[in-house]
Amino acid sequence: GAGVSQSPSNKVTEKGKDVELRCDPISGHTALYWYRQSLGQGLEFLIYFQGNSAPDKSGLPSDRFSAERTGGSVSTLTIQRTQQEDSAVYLCASSLTLRGLTEAFFGQGTRLTVV
Amino acid sequence: KQEVTQIPAALSVPEGENLVLNCSFTDSAIYNLQWFRQDPGKGLTSLLLIQSSQREQTSGRLNASLDKSSGRSTLYIAASQPGDSATYLCAVRPDSGYALNFGKGTSLLVTP
Repeated sequence: GAGVSQSPSNKVTEKGKDVELRCDPISGHTALYWYRQSLGQGLEFLIYFQGNSAPDKSGLPSDRFSAERTGGSVSTLTIQRTQQEDSAVYLCASSLTLRGLTEAFFGQGTRLTVV
Repeated sequence: KQEVTQIPAALSVPEGENLVLNCSFTDSAIYNLQWFRQDPGKGLTSLLLIQSSQREQTSGRLNASLDKSSGRSTLYIAASQPGDSATYLCAVRPDSGYALNFGKGTSLLVTP
């Protein structure tokens, strides 16, 4: 596609429920990132996928968070047993390194509200 | 751990003014630096990408400079317009990694 696509754009869920957030990266981009942006905070790195390599999960805040990337393309971020502090905007980005240049492009984000 | 700081946190200027947004980072071992724009409720739009070997990049009314050794970058916006109102984010990619480290942004308001 023309850009990074995320769905849904907004999600309201009840505390304790599981949610899945989806990211479609730019076609051909080998790297995919998930970030979280909480109100008044900077962007917090969550997880990174690069090609077929094992993902870097070092930014995931707890074991309730997991992510997968199928076929080197679409990624799903899953939050189990959601808590109110999970409320944030979840942003996905993709990038491709070409001739030494690596530029990240972001999607519009999914605004998650846990009530 | 890389710390990225953006000053000022907020800025209000009248239309037509030239302005400078500042970004500083604590670890000079960076691969590149990227400036983004974020409109309310929206994702990030890439404005300029500066490789660590470069000193500046220009796109239209925007000019970004990089002084890697002193850990600083500036984003210069010429002849500001109300449509420039947004939050501007600076992010650095480390030499030995891939995750972008972001500042908290500068919220810019350009008044007509």
